[in-house]
Amino acid sequence: RKEVEQDPGPFNVPEGATVAFNCTYSNSASQSFFWYRQDCRKEPKLLMSVYSSGNEDGRFTAQLNRASQYISLLIRDSKLSDSATYLCVVILLYQKVTFGIGTKLQVIP
Amino acid sequence: DAGITQSPRHKVTETGTPVTLRCHQTENHRYMYWYRQDPGHGLRLIHYSYGVKDTDKGEVSDGYSVSRSKTEDFLLTLESATSSQTSVYFCAIGAASGDSDTQYFGPGTRLTVL
Repeated sequence: RKEVEQDPGPFNVPEGATVAFNCTYSNSASQSFFWYRQDCRKEPKLLMSVYSSGNEDGRFTAQLNRASQYISLLIRDSKLSDSATYLCVVILLYQKVTFGIGTKLQVIP
Repeated sequence: DAGITQSPRHKVTETGTPVTLRCHQTENHRYMYWYRQDPGHGLRLIHYSYGVKDTDKGEVSDGYSVSRSKTEDFLLTLESATSSQTSVYFCAIGAASGDSDTQYFGPGTRLTVL
């Protein structure tokens, strides 16, 4: 089993839709979790950190479920500009960083 | 944007030749990382540095070496490039633990080994 798994998609959604991605991780000792956004042929950029209590930033909500070992990202009212690949990042120990392969989102007019 | 630059941005080279990629930061950050990104794989850590002259191996370090003689520069060297090292290479700065420490990436270097 991969340490971090993501559905690569693509997820094709209409503008204004709500879309959710999950990312599962295998090691229950994982400590920190993040979502990054990567545009085509660009570097990854931090989107948000993920906490057990949930983390909301505008239209974006991230959640951690330690019992089931997954993190989620919810995007409400999708915009065309949200089209990108979303990478989950799981940190097990200091410097033991694992990236998922990313989930591609395409928002359609 | 974090002050991270990479050079060159694009390079085409031949199998067997040495290649050095440079990462330069203006943030005075202690930690620096080299990743490669390939289709079907997430970003994979090659090497990282936790200070001047302090480096350690990552997940896919075979065929790569690094050096850090100054805080601001982290060099990645392919001693004898192979076609399997064709990839996009990203440098990052930051500490990978805790909510307040995240990684910030440079613009990437596209390397093609023929």
